[in-house]
This record gives sequence, structure tokens and C-alpha cells, in this order.
Amino acid sequence: QSALTQPRSVSGSPGQSVTISCTGTSSDVGGYNYVSWYQQHPGKDPKVMIYDVNKRPSGVPDRFSGSKSGNTASLTISGLQAEDEADYYCCSYAGSYILIFGGGTKLTVV
Amino acid sequence: QVQLEESGGGVVQPGRSLRLSCAASGFTFNNFAMHWVRQAPGKGLEWVAFISYDGGNKYYADSVEGRFTISRDNSKNTLYLQMNSLRPEDTAVYYCARIRGWLFDYWGQGTLVTVSS
Repeated sequence: QSALTQPRSVSGSPGQSVTISCTGTSSDVGGYNYVSWYQQHPGKDPKVMIYDVNKRPSGVPDRFSGSKSGNTASLTISGLQAEDEADYYCCSYAGSYILIFGGGTKLTVV
Repeated sequence: QVQLEESGGGVVQPGRSLRLSCAASGFTFNNFAMHWVRQAPGKGLEWVAFISYDGGNKYYADSVEGRFTISRDNSKNTLYLQMNSLRPEDTAVYYCARIRGWLFDYWGQGTLVTVSS
């Protein structure tokens, strides 16, 4: 049960696009299409932004998109806005009802 | 609306026990599997435990296996986490979360557990 690997930080300017990667193994990210992404603002509980690799819950802007290739999943945020500044966590199903989170990525909108 | 409210956190000495509760409302509790997820201060999210909708299946992270027990009382719409043999590294905000498919669609506000002498 090792944490998925995410970059510690990414940054972008308003209006730009950023991509956050999430690397696991064939036993988690690569083995299932059950990767989700969570946004967490300081002091708040996490909010799901993407699930099942590339599905968006209702209410999440279409600026947020997800994809996967092999053992690496990605979250892309286009048209960056100030309110997107937050921590982002990927999460993958790993079999036997176990879920694994990534270490988290701090997104700074400069 | 769906609400999850954790309680039971506090300061506890290493080696002691604590039980967390999560009161659920706004949905049919016994239709959903539930999880506990924790977050150490300034750190990332860590999955802790899973329980099926009827309590028949339970799974734990390696870091808590044998020390923590997840349970639920569907008649009271309440989820529990019994934590024994607590260690300083168990210090974290503990969230209960509802799962739909393989995504956490609702989270509680969290309860802080501090393990310190």
C-alpha cells in the first residue's frame, strides 16, 4: 500500500493550463479505471473533481479533465482561475476494497 | 441533504484507546459502504478503513491493521472507528466518507486525534 506519486507543487498563471500527474503501478492506477481526483482548500474537507479516470460530477466546471495512460493518471485544469489554488490528491482503487491516495500536489495560481 | 458529522476526537496518550463516531443523515445509510480517511497535520490524505453497507466486509490499511476496528450501527445511522494501541503517528484529522462506486462523494468535517504524552 504505497502512496501514489504526485509532484509536490505546480503553478500557472490565470488563463493557462496545468497538468498534475499521478503515478502508480499495474496493481492500482494501471489495473483499474477507478482513479479519482480531489480538491482541498485549506481547512476544508476534500471535494471530488474527477472520478472513474475522466468523469466529472455535476457542478464541476468542464475546465477540469482527467485521463490515464498505463500506470499514470493526469488531471488537467484549463483556463486557470484564482479559486483553483488548492491541494489536489489523486486516489486509485487497488483491489480488495482498498484505496490509495497520492501524496498531494499544491497548485499555485501566480 | 447528505450530512456526515464526526465526533470523539481529542488528546490521548500513546498506547491508549479512542472511539470515533460518524453520524449520518440525509440518505439511506444502510445502502452505502463507508470509509475512514485521515490526514496528519500538514500532510496528505491516507485511506484508513472500509466497511460494506451491511458491515459484513471490512478492510484496513496496513498501518492500522490489528489496532483499529471499523464498525457500523445501521439502526442508529452511525459509523465507528475503534482505535487501540495508539501511536504518535496516528495523530491526524479523521474523516468519515461515503463512497459511491469508487469515489468519495461526501465527507464529514473531520475530528482531530492527537496522540501525545
